[in-house]
Amino acid sequence: ETGVTQTPRHLVMGMTNKKSLKCEQHLGHNAMYWYKQSAKKPLELMFVYSLEERVENNSVPSRFSPECPNSSHLFLHLHTLQPEDSALYLCASSHQRTPQETQYFGPGTRLLVL
Amino acid sequence: GQQVMQIPQYQHVQEGEDFTTYCNSSTTLSNIQWYKQRPGGHPVFLIQLVKSGEVKKQKRLTFQFGEAKKNSSLHITATQTTDVGTYFCAGPSPGGNQFYFGTGTSLTVIP
Repeated sequence: ETGVTQTPRHLVMGMTNKKSLKCEQHLGHNAMYWYKQSAKKPLELMFVYSLEERVENNSVPSRFSPECPNSSHLFLHLHTLQPEDSALYLCASSHQRTPQETQYFGPGTRLLVL
Repeated sequence: GQQVMQIPQYQHVQEGEDFTTYCNSSTTLSNIQWYKQRPGGHPVFLIQLVKSGEVKKQKRLTFQFGEAKKNSSLHITATQTTDVGTYFCAGPSPGGNQFYFGTGTSLTVIP
């Protein structure tokens, strides 16, 4: 148990659905991240929030919309996804948004888009 | 853009054999971190190296950071079935505003 929880753990959705992924960290960290992990590809950093402010948006399609209402919670809103968006979506947090910080990962949400 | 490559992509070893994965970055890294992801699990931090030429050990695991701070290696001595998983290296971009994970090495240990 790393102190980072994600719900749901598994999600199947159609291309016209709207769903949200939730991440919560209990570590008192100030930075939170969304990653996408696809088969046979490196972990891809999608979004970074530091003190509830988005500081990175790595050319992610607009069908992915992050939200960080406070430093403990992070959401990823999904709409009109494509089958190639099927992947493991990992949330992580770190004490600060600096290169030296260790990132603590949640268990991930395994998403299947039909 | 910056790339962090790892070799080999897959490695099967007999239990008791040694294992090494190599990490190579296209740019200099201020530090390098190693993570392990068990099958069906999530990445878990193992260690961070900061200094050029640094070597750190954790029981049977030895981590090394290259002199030019562009490569790193993880060596496991006498592998055990509990070592199974994918090992990722990761490091920040030169400006520090990006964080790149390597392609990973998947280790299978045959009992």
